[in-house]
Parts: sequence; C-alpha cells; structure tokens
Amino acid sequence: LAKTTQPISMDSYEGQEVNITCSHNNIATNDYITWYQQFPSQGPRFIIQGYKTKVTNEVASLFIPADRKSSTLSLPRVSLSDTAVYYCLVGANQAGTALIFGKGTTLSVSS
Amino acid sequence: AAGVIQSPRHLIKEKRETATLKCYPIPRHDTVYWYQQGPGQDPQFLISFYEKMQSDKGSIPDRFSAQQFSDYHSELNMSSLELGDSALYFCASSLEGRGYSGNTIYFGEGSWLTVV
Repeated sequence: LAKTTQPISMDSYEGQEVNITCSHNNIATNDYITWYQQFPSQGPRFIIQGYKTKVTNEVASLFIPADRKSSTLSLPRVSLSDTAVYYCLVGANQAGTALIFGKGTTLSVSS
Repeated sequence: AAGVIQSPRHLIKEKRETATLKCYPIPRHDTVYWYQQGPGQDPQFLISFYEKMQSDKGSIPDRFSAQQFSDYHSELNMSSLELGDSALYFCASSLEGRGYSGNTIYFGEGSWLTVV
C-alpha cells in the first residue's frame, strides 16, 4: 500500500484559497487518490477522488502531476466551517480493499 | 440520499463484557468496512467484507469478529472488552460491482463505545 505524507497542520483565513499537498512516492499503477474531510466525532466525508491530471467538483479541485507521486487538494475561498482534518488516501479499486488512513492535515481557518 | 447507518450511536460497557455494533450500508452497496478511531488518533482499518466474504483484514484484535449478512448489513462483535477498546467505530460501504472504477468509500457517523 502506498504511504502518504501530508503536513500536520495548516492555518488560513476566511476567503483564502488553501492548497494541501500530499506525497505518495510509491503509488501503484492502479491506485486512485482520494481525499476525505473529518470533523471531530464525525465520520470522514468524501471530498474528491482522481487518478491523474485535474478533477474538480463543487467543493474542491484535485491536481495530480504526470508522475502521480504527489497530489494537491485545493479548497477555494475557505470559511470557518472548513476547519477540519483532511486525509489523503491512496488505494486500488479492488473489491473490498480498504483505504488506509495516515496522518491527516489539521486545517484551522480563522476570521 | 441514503447514507450508512450505524447503531447504536453510543454504548457503555464494563470491562470483560461483550458488545455488538451494527452497520447498514448504503442501498445497493455490497462492500462493508470497519474502522476504529481512538481519541486523538487517525482511523485504523479493522476488517472488510465483499459479497458476504471477508476480503481484507487490518489490525483487528482476536477478541473481535465480524460478518456480513445476506442483506449486506454487517455486525462487529467485540468480546472481553478492555479499557483500550473505548473508541469511535466507523462503518463504511462502497459499491464494487463490475465496471466500477475508483474505490469511493462512504462512512457512517460512527458508534461511540465507552468501556468502564
């Protein structure tokens, strides 16, 4: 399983764009990259998933370079409610194969 | 949209007792995962099931067992409970049918287990 490395914490202000980069040097060919958001005492919430290049949805963008050894989650114009822990997970799409959580990034947004 | 349902949401047990957590996956999802998250820790994978068969195993203690039933719901059975078992237990589900790409796993809100 590919190991991921993220910054332990990040600080931002409301209205700013936040970019969280995840390193996954030994990502396998059939691995996807998935980002989750978790608030205290709640289940992780799916944000976005990608395999290569750029993926965008209504809440975030995911940038994946050609070598796929890293990925960047971009949150546009964060608000106080975006304060949470963000996890980058890498795993294959094999039936029942679990996604393994590493150390997430605690994002703190201030006014 | 329907989400993963877990019950009970809160459970208090004494040491050496037994506890059972239940998980009802998103409709049509055929794969269930169990995770344990201790206070201040990251979620730890315990075990998963695909089409009622165990498909992946993580750091699940021998005192714990789980199964997935014909209606795809799953139960996590924990025996000889220890203080260190106090944690938030998440169930998650996904659809692994033919043609599905990616491995998007959707989590429930968790079951709080407190062992006293």
